[in-house]
Amino acid sequence: KNQVEQSPQSLIILEGKNCTLQCNYTVSPFSNLRWYKQDTGRGPVSLTIMTFSENTKSNGRYTATLDADTKQSSLHITASQLSDSASYICVVSAMNKGGKLIFGQGTELSVKP
Amino acid sequence: DAMVIQNPRYQVTQFGKPVTLSCSQTLNHNVMYWYQQKSSQAPKLLFHYYDKDFNNEADTPDNFQSRRPNTSFCFLDIRSPGLGDAAMYLCATNRGGQSYNEQFFGPGTRLTVL
Repeated sequence: KNQVEQSPQSLIILEGKNCTLQCNYTVSPFSNLRWYKQDTGRGPVSLTIMTFSENTKSNGRYTATLDADTKQSSLHITASQLSDSASYICVVSAMNKGGKLIFGQGTELSVKP
Repeated sequence: DAMVIQNPRYQVTQFGKPVTLSCSQTLNHNVMYWYQQKSSQAPKLLFHYYDKDFNNEADTPDNFQSRRPNTSFCFLDIRSPGLGDAAMYLCATNRGGQSYNEQFFGPGTRLTVL
């Protein structure tokens, strides 16, 4: 069964600190992995997208890594800001028509002053 | 700017009263999706259109229907909303052709059922 699992479920950090979110998946055949940021009451916004041949991709203070062998990904946030408070969702796409996405449950990040 | 637009942003309906949610896109994408997202849960795919080809998820209740009259617009019809249908409904688009393409999400419509 295609699944995406994220940890931790929630995380509280102080402003300015770094953090790393984890994602494990069992989707096959694998096409790509995305990290989305979803603010409360808003739609998800894409942060990074990686195929199996990519190990790391950065978007400003966000850096995603992918290990296609172990089927693990991480999202590292550097120098966190209050505006980083959101849900971070790991999403994996399988090789099929229409680009169906398999969503993780998300990690709820709260950045405190 | 090219984008995915959802109207209304907030919708209140009564138990059993039909409601229609609207999504439009200026991206000229082939694929349009409807997701249901309940509080603290991941979005759940209801169905998607690949051009005019409708693809329903196996566990989507019959109470949920969709229409795509043209490339730009897609509607979600809930024929008899129940209290359990209160959720955020997300529309998304994808260029199609290969699953690498990014899905662009709209801001969502939050549905309240009284």
